[in-house]
Amino acid sequence: DTGVSQNPRHKITKRGQNVTFRCDPISEHNRLYWYRQTLGQGPEFLTYFQNEAQLEKSRLLSDRFSAERPKGSFSTLEIQRTEQGDSAMYLCASGGGSYEQYFGPGTRLTVT
Amino acid sequence: GIQVEQSPPDLILQEGANSTLRCNFSDSVNNLQWFHQNPWGQLINLFYIPSGTKQNGRLSATTVATERYSLLYISSSQTTDSGVYFCAVDTENQAGTALIFGKGTTLSVSS
Repeated sequence: DTGVSQNPRHKITKRGQNVTFRCDPISEHNRLYWYRQTLGQGPEFLTYFQNEAQLEKSRLLSDRFSAERPKGSFSTLEIQRTEQGDSAMYLCASGGGSYEQYFGPGTRLTVT
Repeated sequence: GIQVEQSPPDLILQEGANSTLRCNFSDSVNNLQWFHQNPWGQLINLFYIPSGTKQNGRLSATTVATERYSLLYISSSQTTDSGVYFCAVDTENQAGTALIFGKGTTLSVSS
């Protein structure tokens, strides 16, 4: 299966630590998105790449968050100095020729 | 920004029953997708339907773009249909960028 993959699937960290998540999109998809989902809510947009260019960032993406997509392939999302409010599911999606987005299984972050 | 409202928020059905989920949106859209989120959190694509009608097995969807709503029909529901159903859109002037999600409809199907 060549769907979107995310690693790790689960991450438990202590407050103040840095964490990094990885997303591998569907091959040949040039668009890649990060979303965050908290309990009982729909996913909320964080940032969007077209190839290697980061074209849009949500105001939810504070200075402690950074995302990269070197060479327009996989992407990483780093959170520095984690806070308990960062606990959430982090979802990655990719898109190709149409505007349809395909989601990965997510990384569930718990900050203790 | 665009608002996406889903109804009902919760739905409880007996196996075999039919249901209709509704999504209203406040502006013209370029993309509309329906997703099913399983208990593990995975968002499963059901339909990409900015306009028109599509069917896939027991599921079908209709989007009336001029009236800014979409409907998801589930017929002969099964326990495996349980989960949260999300509608998500992006706006015409921001095509291909962020999807804006509704709050979802939580469906529980009992045997």
